[in-house]
Amino acid sequence: KAGVTQTPRYLIKTRGQQVTLSCSPISGHRSVSWYQQTPGQGLQFLFEYFSETQRNKGNFPGRFSGRQFSNSRSEMNVSTLELGDSALYLCASSLRQSNQPQHFGDGTRLSIL
Amino acid sequence: QKEVEQNSGPLSVPEGAIASLNCTYSDRGSQSFFWYRQYSGKSPELIMSIYSNGDKEDGRFTAQLNKASQYVSLLIRDSQPSDSATYLCAVTRGGSQGNLIFGKGTKLSVKP
Repeated sequence: KAGVTQTPRYLIKTRGQQVTLSCSPISGHRSVSWYQQTPGQGLQFLFEYFSETQRNKGNFPGRFSGRQFSNSRSEMNVSTLELGDSALYLCASSLRQSNQPQHFGDGTRLSIL
Repeated sequence: QKEVEQNSGPLSVPEGAIASLNCTYSDRGSQSFFWYRQYSGKSPELIMSIYSNGDKEDGRFTAQLNKASQYVSLLIRDSQPSDSATYLCAVTRGGSQGNLIFGKGTKLSVKP
């Protein structure tokens, strides 16, 4: 069974640009959660999608947004990039709810110059 | 008070010893608890989940949960150098659809 697939693996952007990251969950998983991981702050929850609806949202500015498609694939978008957005962005999927075991993809490493 | 707290370590144990990792949480409504292992440069890997008070064993790993004390722990028996990693404790926010909150992790080093 294929795991969670995130693309791209690496991205380099400059301040002010925007970026879109993609996540394909494990087959049959309908909940997708996004996290930002930095050395100082650890893993921080961005948002969770289930059945194309945002079910939970973390404490991030509106520049961070996401969506989920009918096949459960999800994208997250960050607009007007700032240097502090440099981080590892991780996607995790679970069967139905985020309180069930979540399985992570390999992440997208985003660097802002 | 932080929602999920872990000792950052590093925790150093000799090969073959028992490693004990601890985690406390603040939300009394939390229902699901997980331990993840993260090797340097890799993504977190789920190793244990626990939902009710008591112990849950899986191979060399034992998770312990005490909801009254808001405490969850992970024991690793017969520690191996390959267990050297950062261990993340994750707890769901209260309610059936609460999202996961992660601690900052404890770095474990197993010395040969």
